[in-house]
Order: sequence, then structure tokens, then C-alpha cells
Amino acid sequence: QVHLVESGGGLVKPGGSLRLSCAASGFTFSDSYMSWIRQAPGKGPEWISYISGSGSDINHADSVRGRFTMSRDNAKNSLYLQMNSLRVEDTAVYYCARGSGRDGSPFWGQGTPVTVSS
Amino acid sequence: DVVMTQSPLSLPVTLGQPASISCRSSQSLVYTDGNTYLNWFQQRPGQSPRRLIYKVSNRDSGVPDRFSGSGSGTDFTLKISRVEAEDVGIYYCMQGRHWPWTFGQGTKVEIK
Repeated sequence: QVHLVESGGGLVKPGGSLRLSCAASGFTFSDSYMSWIRQAPGKGPEWISYISGSGSDINHADSVRGRFTMSRDNAKNSLYLQMNSLRVEDTAVYYCARGSGRDGSPFWGQGTPVTVSS
Repeated sequence: DVVMTQSPLSLPVTLGQPASISCRSSQSLVYTDGNTYLNWFQQRPGQSPRRLIYKVSNRDSGVPDRFSGSGSGTDFTLKISRVEAEDVGIYYCMQGRHWPWTFGQGTKVEIK
């Protein structure tokens, strides 16, 4: 059974950094595209990044490009999101999901909240 | 970015009655592989979004058959044949044709 557990969220000041992790189990992680999606309070979801199984194909939305970096460690079945130069508008619940998202991805984690505030 | 426009944004429904949500995209969602990448999500209060329908009309495992999706090109519809209490929540359409994938504003379904 696919299981995704995000961690690393918390309160950070504007301009600060945070690293999110997603622990995956129940499927062949190294063969799978993975994604990060976020949802600001009271807003719809926003798909921000995806990465291929090998890590060679990565894409970021313009809203985070140059500030956020997605990576993975297939030996640890783990996905990461390094978030730098955080802004108040980055406040959201961050979800990891299996797949590139083109078909929406049926497997999402429970999310980890990130609050950017002074 | 592709803009996804849903209507209505609020949908009060009587239990046992049908409900319909419209979703329009600002560009065609037909990909070069012939598939149309329009998906529907349900988000119950306090929960993660859950995919209900993928590629216009394919229902996910465990999704009741009262949910159905239809449409083509830029015009799509999610229908609930008979609304039940557990269907309360926000429904989002989402396109996976043009990066970045984008969601509609959401339609809040509530019981009258």
C-alpha cells in the first residue's frame, strides 16, 4: 500500500529557509515520478514541482523557480524540497504525491504546514 | 498559465438530488498522446485532496459510481447522480496538459 509521510514544516521568518522531506513506502520509489503540491489557507492547490525517478527530469513552477529545489534519495526512498528566500505568500500546507501529476496523482500524503511570518 | 474556470462556486444540494459542476479551460487539454488530461478532486474538510476522476471520465478505485465525468477539448463536467451527506466538500478540476498543472477555484458542495 502506498504511504507518503511529509515532515519538516514549521514557522520561519521571511527570507529564511526550510527543508521538507517525504518518506515513501509501498511502491518502487526509484521508478516513480514524484511531486510537491501546496495549498495556501482557504485557497485551491498549486502544483509546484515534479521530478523523475532518476532525478534527470525536474520542473518547477515560476512561483518557486530559483528559490525552491526538489531532489530525491532513492536509496532512502525519500523526496526533499529545499525552500530558500521564503516569503509570506509561501505559507501553505505542502503535500508530496506519487507521479508527475499529469493525471492528477491518486496518492498524496497528509501534508506538512509551513508558516512564513515575522 | 492555463486558467481553469469552475461554475458554480457554491452548490447547495438536497440529499438524493443530482449535482453538476462545470469546468472550462483557457486552452485545449488534448495532449499529443491523444489523451485529455482533465482530472477532478474532492477535498473534504480537514483532509488532503483526493482524486476522483482522471483523464475526463475514469473513476478512481473506491469512488462511488454516482460520480461521473464527461467533456472534451476545453469544456468538462462532473456529475453526482444522487448527493449523499459524505459528498460535502470542495471539488476542484485540474489540468495536466500544460505545465504548470493548474486547478480551478473550487466548487463548495453543501447540503441544503
